[in-house]
Amino acid sequence: ETGVTQTPRHLVMGMTNKKSLKCEQHLGHNAMYWYKQSAKKPLELMFVYNFKEQTENNSVPSRFSPECPNSSHLFLHLHTLQPEDSALYLCASSQDSGQGSNQPQHFGDGTRLSIL
Amino acid sequence: QKEVEQNSGPLSVPEGAIASLNCTYSDRGSQSFFWYRQYSGKSPELIMFIYSNGDKEDGRFTAQLNKASQYVSLLIRDSQPSDSATYLCAVKGTGGFKTIFGAGTRLFVKA
Repeated sequence: ETGVTQTPRHLVMGMTNKKSLKCEQHLGHNAMYWYKQSAKKPLELMFVYNFKEQTENNSVPSRFSPECPNSSHLFLHLHTLQPEDSALYLCASSQDSGQGSNQPQHFGDGTRLSIL
Repeated sequence: QKEVEQNSGPLSVPEGAIASLNCTYSDRGSQSFFWYRQYSGKSPELIMFIYSNGDKEDGRFTAQLNKASQYVSLLIRDSQPSDSATYLCAVKGTGGFKTIFGAGTRLFVKA
């Protein structure tokens, strides 16, 4: 149990579907992250939220839409995805993410997403 | 040049040996360095972090940092088959909010 819970664990969707990924952290952290992990590639940072404010959007296509209603919850809304979007999507949290922060990140177990 | 570079491996060591995992980074101003272990089908879990030049030991694990050479390593003593996993090096630079991850090194410990 990492303290970061992601649902669903697996998701199969068509290119025209709309779905959402959910992440919840029970660690009292103030920063939350979405990463994409594809086979044999480094973790790709997608979005960073610090105290509910988005502080990083790493040139992510608009078919991915994040939402952070509070410091404990993070969503990733998916719409009109492409086959190349099939990957493991990981949520992480840390105490904070400011420029001077050196806090490590704690990861959830991820959502394995397959686009048909 | 990749921002954080690791040899993809696989690195194969016999049980009981020392496994040495290396990582180089491009941002000279980087301040925070992390090693994560990721088992197949699982999420990354933090193994060690290091902020200052030199060695930091935690049980069988030792992290080594050389900022002048922009090099960080992880040594695993008395390697066990359960150490077989992908090890991710992560570096946080001076600007922005990003932590940059390397692609990882796959380690196999043979029984």
